[in-house]
Amino acid sequence: AQRVTQPEKLLSVFKGAPVELKCNYSYSGSPELFWYVQYSRQRLQLLLRHISRESIKGFTADLNKGETSFHLKKPFAQEEDSAMYYCALRPSGGYNKLIFGAGTRLAVHP
Amino acid sequence: EAGVAQSPRYKIIEKRQSVAFWCNPISGHATLYWYQQILGQGPKLLIQFQNNGVVDDSQLPKDRFSAERLKGVDSTLKIQPAKLEDSAVYLCASSLGGDRYNEQFFGPGTRLTVL
Repeated sequence: AQRVTQPEKLLSVFKGAPVELKCNYSYSGSPELFWYVQYSRQRLQLLLRHISRESIKGFTADLNKGETSFHLKKPFAQEEDSAMYYCALRPSGGYNKLIFGAGTRLAVHP
Repeated sequence: EAGVAQSPRYKIIEKRQSVAFWCNPISGHATLYWYQQILGQGPKLLIQFQNNGVVDDSQLPKDRFSAERLKGVDSTLKIQPAKLEDSAVYLCASSLGGDRYNEQFFGPGTRLTVL
């Protein structure tokens, strides 16, 4: 079965603290993994994809095929990082379909 | 560039009534997606169009949901009759293509409440 699991509904940290949003997936092939973000009153938007291997707004994510994980990390959280974060999987082959996790709300306190 | 447009933004209906949602994708985007997002869950793909043809509707409850994209641009998603469990945000997204990775751009969503 194709599934994305985000075990934390809410992650609450203080400004300047490190952040790790967990994502685990279930997929037998070679997936593409993504992180999407939704800021308050804004649209769902792409944050980063694992193939790009880039840092966006200080966030990075590494695909660990052995642990089937794609955790999102940032060394020093900022208040503007507060948002809903969704991990998504795109199965290989076929069409451009995305399978989303349930999301984690990140709250960064001053 | 203008983003994906959706209307209405909010809709409240009673169960067994009908409702329709409209989506206008980004100009030039061949692929259009409808997602259902129930409170506390991530978006779930209902249907994907490539131009005006359906390429994936495996999770669309076809006994009550229908969607069309007649001219390969705008799309309409209809629910008839609605059930309480249809209360959700309906998201429309579009991308340049759909046969390989193309970034999906999302609209603001329509929040449906079924009473």
